[in-house]
Amino acid sequence: KAGVTQTPRYLIKTRGQQVTLSCSPISGHRSVSWYQQTPGQGLQFLFEYFSETQRNKGNFPGRFSGRQFSNSRSEMNVSTLELGDSALYLCASSLDTVQETQYFGPGTRLLVL
Amino acid sequence: QKEVEQNSGPLSVPEGAIASLNCTYSDRGSQSFFWYRQYSGKSPELIMFIYSNGDKEDGRFTAQLNKASQYVSLLIRDSQPSDSATYLCAVKGYSSASKIIFGSGTRLSIRP
Repeated sequence: KAGVTQTPRYLIKTRGQQVTLSCSPISGHRSVSWYQQTPGQGLQFLFEYFSETQRNKGNFPGRFSGRQFSNSRSEMNVSTLELGDSALYLCASSLDTVQETQYFGPGTRLLVL
Repeated sequence: QKEVEQNSGPLSVPEGAIASLNCTYSDRGSQSFFWYRQYSGKSPELIMFIYSNGDKEDGRFTAQLNKASQYVSLLIRDSQPSDSATYLCAVKGYSSASKIIFGSGTRLSIRP
């Protein structure tokens, strides 16, 4: 079974631009979560989508948004990029059970100049 | 108080010794507990999960859970240099809709 895939793997943008990242979950997984990871802040939860609906949300500004499609693929968008948005963005998918863990994709490394 | 707490380390352990990583959590309703390993520049990968009080062994790894003390640990026996990584503890609540909360991770270094 193929793992979680994320595209693109690397991205360079400038301040003020916007970016869209994509995540394809493991086949059969309906829950997709997004995380931001930086050296100083660790792994921070952005949001979780399940059945095309945002189910949980972290403490990030409204510039960070996401959506999920009917095939469970998910996208996240960051508008008006800031230097501090430079990070590794990780997507994780899981089955929707209380005992099911998340499986992470390889991440998208975003650099904002 | 953070929801999931870990000592950031670095924890330095000689090769061949036992590495002990600890994690405490604040939500008594938590039901599922996970340990992830993350190498520098890579994404986290699942090592073990545990749901019931007691010990769970998988090869060189043993997870220990004590719900009364709200404490979960990971023991790595016969530590190898390849075990050098950051170990993330993660906790999930009582329902499938509960989000998984990650600790900030413990950096482990195995010295030859």
